Amino acid sequence: DAKTTQPNSMESNEEEPVHLPCNHSTISGTDYIHWYRQLPSQGPEYVIHGLTSNVNNRMASLAIAEDRKSSTLILHRATLRDAAVYYCILLNNAGNMLTFGGGTRLMVKP
Amino acid sequence: KAGVTQTPRYLIKTRGQQVTLSCSPISGHRSVSWYQQTPGQGLQFLFEYFSETQRNKGNFPGRFSGRQFSNSRSEMNVSTLELGDSALYLCASSLRAGSPLHFGNGTRLTVT
Repeated sequence: DAKTTQPNSMESNEEEPVHLPCNHSTISGTDYIHWYRQLPSQGPEYVIHGLTSNVNNRMASLAIAEDRKSSTLILHRATLRDAAVYYCILLNNAGNMLTFGGGTRLMVKP
Repeated sequence: KAGVTQTPRYLIKTRGQQVTLSCSPISGHRSVSWYQQTPGQGLQFLFEYFSETQRNKGNFPGRFSGRQFSNSRSEMNVSTLELGDSALYLCASSLRAGSPLHFGNGTRLTVT
C-alpha cells in the first residue's frame, strides 16, 4: 500500500495562511490524493482531493507536485475552527482501500 | 441530504462477547467502508463493500467481518471480543471508488 508521511503537529496564528505538507513517494498513477480533517468526537470531514492538477474549493487549496510524490494543503486564512487533525490519504480508484498516515494536528493561536 | 448514520453511538461489551455495528450510507452511495481508530494505531482500514460485494479488506483477523445489504446499508461484526478491540469504529460512504468519503461520527466500543 502506498503510504503518506505528515508532520505530527503544526502551529499557526489566526488569519494567517497555513501550508500542511504530505509526502507520498510511492503513489501510483491511479491514486487520488485526498485530505480530510477530524475534530474531537467527530468522524473525519472531507476537505479536498485531486489527481494531478492543483485544486481549489471554498475550504482550501491543494497543490500537487509535478511528480505527484508530495502535496500541500493550503488554508488561506486560518481560523480557530480550523484547529483539527488533518489527514492526507491516497484513494485507489480500484476500490476504497486506503492507507491513513498519522495526520497533522494543527493548532491555531488567536 | 442526510449524512452517514452509525448506530449505536456507544457500546460496552465484555470480553468474549460479539457485537454488531450498523451503518446507513448517504442515499445513492453504493460504496461503504469501515475503519478502526485507536490512540495507538490511528485510523486503520477494515474493509470496503460495493453493491453487496467485499472489494477490499485490511489486515485484521477473521473475527472482524461485515456485509452490505441491497439497500447499501452495512453492518460489521466482531466476534470473541478482546480488550484491544476497544476503539472508535467509523463508517464512510462514497459514490464510487476514488470519490470523496463521507464519514459518520462513529460507534465507540468499549470492551471490559
